[in-house]
Amino acid sequence: EPEVTQTPSHQVTQMGQEVILRCVPISNHLYFYWYRQILGQKVEFLVSFYNNEISEKSEIFDDQFSVERPDGSNFTLKIRSTKLEDSAMYFCASYMLDAGAFFGQGTRLTVV
Amino acid sequence: RKEVEQDPGPFNVPEGATVAFNCTYSNSASQSFFWYRQDCRKEPKLLMSVYSSGNEDGRFTAQLNRASQYISLLIRDSKLSDSATYLCVVNTNRDDKIIFGKGTRLHILP
Repeated sequence: EPEVTQTPSHQVTQMGQEVILRCVPISNHLYFYWYRQILGQKVEFLVSFYNNEISEKSEIFDDQFSVERPDGSNFTLKIRSTKLEDSAMYFCASYMLDAGAFFGQGTRLTVV
Repeated sequence: RKEVEQDPGPFNVPEGATVAFNCTYSNSASQSFFWYRQDCRKEPKLLMSVYSSGNEDGRFTAQLNRASQYISLLIRDSKLSDSATYLCVVNTNRDDKIIFGKGTRLHILP
């Protein structure tokens, strides 16, 4: 069964450092998403990506965040200068219309 | 009104019982609806899509009520392994944004 894969599974970084979270979506899907989930809280939408550009982003997705799909397979989320409150589980998802979104296993980001 | 609302629970239900959750959504133009299951510290996993005509998958039945803007999930003959958080998910536009409810925690008691 096709799956979404994310790397790394756990990233520890110092406050102020840049991190790049990587995702390989399901190959024939067209829509890609990043979500985050702070421990014990709901899954929050960050950004959606379609046709090689951002189609929608939330208020969480400020100038510190960026996404790219540099080579047609990988889909990355970059946080330029991490803050303590960026500590969360980050999920990548890919979506095919009416079939639902499929999530990767997530990257646990810990900012210290 | 929040975009997607769920009763957070927890629902503590004895094994073998039937349990039902509802989820309301605010955008009447919403087109796609899903139930996801999330185990502790794991990714959400698609449980089932929710169709206008309702759909059933084994012990699970999902229904959509467009007039009242809610979807429901019914679990029959609940099992210990059904213990999880159940997330209601709504696609508010055709493809741009998938919104999650906060989830309903279910504990099946032996």
